[in-house]
Amino acid sequence: KNEVEQSPQNLTAQEGEFITINCSYSVGISALHWLQQHPGGGIVSLFMLSSGKKKHGRLIATINIQEKHSSLHITASHPRDSAVYICAVRHSGGGADGLTFGKGTHLIIQP
Amino acid sequence: DSGVTQTPKHLITATGQRVTLRCSPRSGDLSVYWYQQSLDQGLQFLIQYYNGEERAKGNILERFSAQQFPDLHSELNLSSLELGDSALYFCASSAMGFNYGYTFGSGTRLTVV
Repeated sequence: KNEVEQSPQNLTAQEGEFITINCSYSVGISALHWLQQHPGGGIVSLFMLSSGKKKHGRLIATINIQEKHSSLHITASHPRDSAVYICAVRHSGGGADGLTFGKGTHLIIQP
Repeated sequence: DSGVTQTPKHLITATGQRVTLRCSPRSGDLSVYWYQQSLDQGLQFLIQYYNGEERAKGNILERFSAQQFPDLHSELNLSSLELGDSALYFCASSAMGFNYGYTFGSGTRLTVV
């Protein structure tokens, strides 16, 4: 079983819909990241969370440490939101700061 | 422009060869991370440097090595290349190893033929 599981793997929605992408992890973490990767390949860091909720524009990220679960929401989705969204965690307890990644959610927003 | 510069953007080379990928971190960032993204394995952490010193190793093969120089730029050396090494290689930097966000470079696409 992967340490970081994302669902759904693929999601196609209509413009304007509310989008939710889920991430579950099985290890202790000090931080969880949501990343966006566009077809050109570049990766953009959207959020870093260790507790609670963060909002940036139409994007909202939440995390429940007790349940080891995080969600990324997109309100009023737009075709330019089409990308792969990747959840990644940094393990707690010191040591390596490298991230462990989920497989990603491939989101397509149709006009 | 994220502030993290990776060169080259694309690289095509033959099996058995050696290549060097370069990364310049965002100004002021002391930590540099290397990641590999392949179709079958997804994104994987390779290695981290902090202020010139190796800090952590992930799934890095013995044929691969890296270093961070006094000016904080980093190089990832890949030798005895195999077809399976074809992947996107990303560099990321952060201000410190801890509780700071990452900034990713645009990646180097390596194709081994």
